Amino acid sequence: ILNVEQSPQSLHVQEGDSTNFTCSFPSSNFYALHWYRWETAKSPEALFVMTLNGDEKKKGRISATLNTKEGYSYLYIKGSQPEDSATYLCAFIGRGSTLGRLYFGRGTQLTVWP
Amino acid sequence: IAGITQAPTSQILAAGRRMTLRCTQDMRHNAMYWYRQDLGLGLRLIHYSNTAGTTGKGEVPDGYSVSRANTDDFPLTLASAVPSQTSVYFCASSDSWGAGSPLHFGNGTRLTVT
Repeated sequence: ILNVEQSPQSLHVQEGDSTNFTCSFPSSNFYALHWYRWETAKSPEALFVMTLNGDEKKKGRISATLNTKEGYSYLYIKGSQPEDSATYLCAFIGRGSTLGRLYFGRGTQLTVWP
Repeated sequence: IAGITQAPTSQILAAGRRMTLRCTQDMRHNAMYWYRQDLGLGLRLIHYSNTAGTTGKGEVPDGYSVSRANTDDFPLTLASAVPSQTSVYFCASSDSWGAGSPLHFGNGTRLTVT
């Protein structure tokens, strides 16, 4: 079982604040990293699929970076809004025998106060 | 809108009873997955199928079985339910296995085993 860590576990910010959180994963045998957004009472929705070291992805006010050599990815939210409140999950895919399996972190729960 | 349909939405089940959770997708995705979500533990893979006719075990397969007779359906069966199987179950699919394709999730089935 691979260890995928997310920090912080939870985060409370004011509307308009920018924020970021971290996903750490094994740096060896990297294949891909996914980010998902999971709103309460809904199902997870994919934000980004990242495969290359140095990758930067952006969707609106949300962006992500990837460092496969050191085994981490950052998710940034610029100018947080209450509708950004959700749990953000990352999932790691490794090469070899685990290729294709996603190993999820436990998520960062973001609450944005108006 | 096309996607993944899970049934039932929720269920209370007596220990020892047999139960099948249904999952159907209409996106013609090759790969399908079953995850369970438990408080503090994140999403854990139970079983997967990378194409119709094949299945594989995930991290926590004991007590569960699956079948993949066709592309669209991927039922999960609990042969003899136990209280530790109380969880929220998510079915997911992706276009292909092992290529880093994002997962599409169903809305989940909340199962309580008493």
